[in-house]
Amino acid sequence: EDQVTQSPEALRLQEGESSSLNCSYTVSGLRGLFWYRQDPGKGPEFLFTLYSAGEEKEKERLKATLTKKESFLHITAPKPEDSATYLCAGGYGGSQGNLIFGKGTKLSVKP
Amino acid sequence: SQTIHQWPATLVQPVGSPLSLECTVEGTSNPNLYWYRQAAGRGLQLLFYSVGIGQISSEVPQNLSASRPQDRQFILSSKKLLLSDSGFYLCAWGRVNTEAFFGQGTRLTVV
Repeated sequence: EDQVTQSPEALRLQEGESSSLNCSYTVSGLRGLFWYRQDPGKGPEFLFTLYSAGEEKEKERLKATLTKKESFLHITAPKPEDSATYLCAGGYGGSQGNLIFGKGTKLSVKP
Repeated sequence: SQTIHQWPATLVQPVGSPLSLECTVEGTSNPNLYWYRQAAGRGLQLLFYSVGIGQISSEVPQNLSASRPQDRQFILSSKKLLLSDSGFYLCAWGRVNTEAFFGQGTRLTVV
């Protein structure tokens, strides 16, 4: 069964304390690994797309990496405004290009 | 640039009442359109997707239906709401094997 699993469910960091979020996937014929940020009561905001193992993407304090079985979202020196739920999704093949989402990691960054 | 509009932002409806949520996309043509539901503690669940006008595919059997009367308009409906229909509903657009872009969501509470 196609599945995306994120860990940890919740992560509390001090401002400036770097860490990583994990997304493991078992999606047959994976067509892209996607990261989103979601603030409370809002729709998910697109962050990154990764297509190939070894690929990396960066945006400000965030860096996403991809292996054949998992993806990591590295957060360097986080700030309180980075607090949000981070969602990972795997794209599976077919004409629809649909996404399978994990349950997310809720990140809290304390000043 | 592309934008997606979804309304209303919040909705409280009695059990047994009808439902109509609307989503429109601007700045692109022939997008794939999606309806997701997000329940507390669960990941985003794909409800419906559409690859063109009048073409609707359902992922989960339920009390809901979707329609796409125009290229950039997607509507989620129900004839009679159930308590279990409560949740956060998200519309999104995308292309095959690329990222999806989400609206701001509708918080539906069925009472």
